[in-house]
Amino acid sequence: NAGVTQTPKFQVLKTGQSMTLQCAQDMNHEYMSWYRQDPGMGLRLIHYSVGAGITDQGEVPNGYNVSRSTTEDFPLRLLSAAPSQTSVYFCASSYSRGNHEQYFGPGTRLTVT
Amino acid sequence: AQSVTQPDIHITVSEGASLELRCNYSYGATPYLFWYVQSPGQGLQLLLKYFSGDTLVQGIKGFEAEFKRSQSSFNLRKPSVHWSDAAEYFCAVGRDDKIIFGKGTRLHILP
Repeated sequence: NAGVTQTPKFQVLKTGQSMTLQCAQDMNHEYMSWYRQDPGMGLRLIHYSVGAGITDQGEVPNGYNVSRSTTEDFPLRLLSAAPSQTSVYFCASSYSRGNHEQYFGPGTRLTVT
Repeated sequence: AQSVTQPDIHITVSEGASLELRCNYSYGATPYLFWYVQSPGQGLQLLLKYFSGDTLVQGIKGFEAEFKRSQSSFNLRKPSVHWSDAAEYFCAVGRDDKIIFGKGTRLHILP
């Protein structure tokens, strides 16, 4: 199993550009989530999904969109990048909504100039 | 609102000394409780978790944590730290489909 994979590893965007961070898992996990990590702030939940076709907002959803058309994939879209979105983004998955033991991807480091 | 507090931003201990990292949570019901570790430039790895039952839970790498309902705490302990334990440690709580993380405690080890 590859576990949770994220692409790209690094990305630089200009303000106003859009992009999609990819996340995939091959463990047949129902639950997937996106976090951003900023120095001194820990990890903050952006969006999460309890299954294909179901998504919901976390703590800091503004400026981000998600969709979950398959169990395996959970892409995160930045609609119009802003410097405040410079961060490290982690995708995670867990077996079920009640389990919560999450497996994390390696992260994507995004810089918005 | 659900919250997690890790009061110590940095902790320094000598190699071989004991360690305790503090975590307090605020939630109406007992949530699921977790400790994760993040080594520099890496993702997060689960150390241990508490769902119910025995309030002292054992994890990987010699770590343990104790859930104290009366204090809303879930402190992480290790009797003797190794230089390889230098990392950032995150406490997290899960309830109602959301998992919320504390801001982390960075552990430094003196030789």
